[in-house]
Amino acid sequence: AQSVTQLGSHVSVSEGALVLLRCNYSSSVPPYLFWYVQYPNQGLQLLLKYTSAATLVKGINGFEAEFKKSETSFHLTKPSAHMSDAAEYFCAVSAFGNEKLTFGTGTRLTIIP
Amino acid sequence: EAGVAQSPRYKIIEKRQSVAFWCNPISGHATLYWYQQILGQGPKLLIQFQNNGVVDDSQLPKDRFSAERLKGVDSTLKIQPAKLEDSAVYLCASSADLAEAFFGQGTRLTVV
Repeated sequence: AQSVTQLGSHVSVSEGALVLLRCNYSSSVPPYLFWYVQYPNQGLQLLLKYTSAATLVKGINGFEAEFKKSETSFHLTKPSAHMSDAAEYFCAVSAFGNEKLTFGTGTRLTIIP
Repeated sequence: EAGVAQSPRYKIIEKRQSVAFWCNPISGHATLYWYQQILGQGPKLLIQFQNNGVVDDSQLPKDRFSAERLKGVDSTLKIQPAKLEDSAVYLCASSADLAEAFFGQGTRLTVV
């Protein structure tokens, strides 16, 4: 079975500051890991994905995440926050070879002007 | 490329009534999913189709929820009868491979 834990249901950062959203996973098999973003009244949009290639994954909108097996983590970062980054962010895991996604509870990111 | 289409966008019904949601996946995507997203929670998979066959429906409350995917393309999700706790956003997604699922905008259901 797979699961993810997102630490911090709400995160606030100042515009231009570092964004760090935390995700830890649990998986009995090699995982695929994903970060999705959800804007109000919208569906989920894929930011980036880890599928056992490079451990540092670059995504859209300047986001990146690093897979650390020893820490079972897949934290999402962005060097400089922009007002348009305000949204809900979900970490998700699937088992290798299985498309079913298991999501975390989400982190709402607020950007302070 | 057209995205995943869902309708309606919003629906308000009374408890014990029935409701149906429709999803049209991205053309050529064999896998279709229905997720339930309760306010403040992450999406939870209800059912996964591969073409027109069910792959996983372990978390679908089968006493009241049903879903079908005729001809391996469009899909409908039905709730009958609805309960207050069914209030949620119902998300449809589709994928062509193991690496990415594309989501529709969802249907927001309010049961009063």
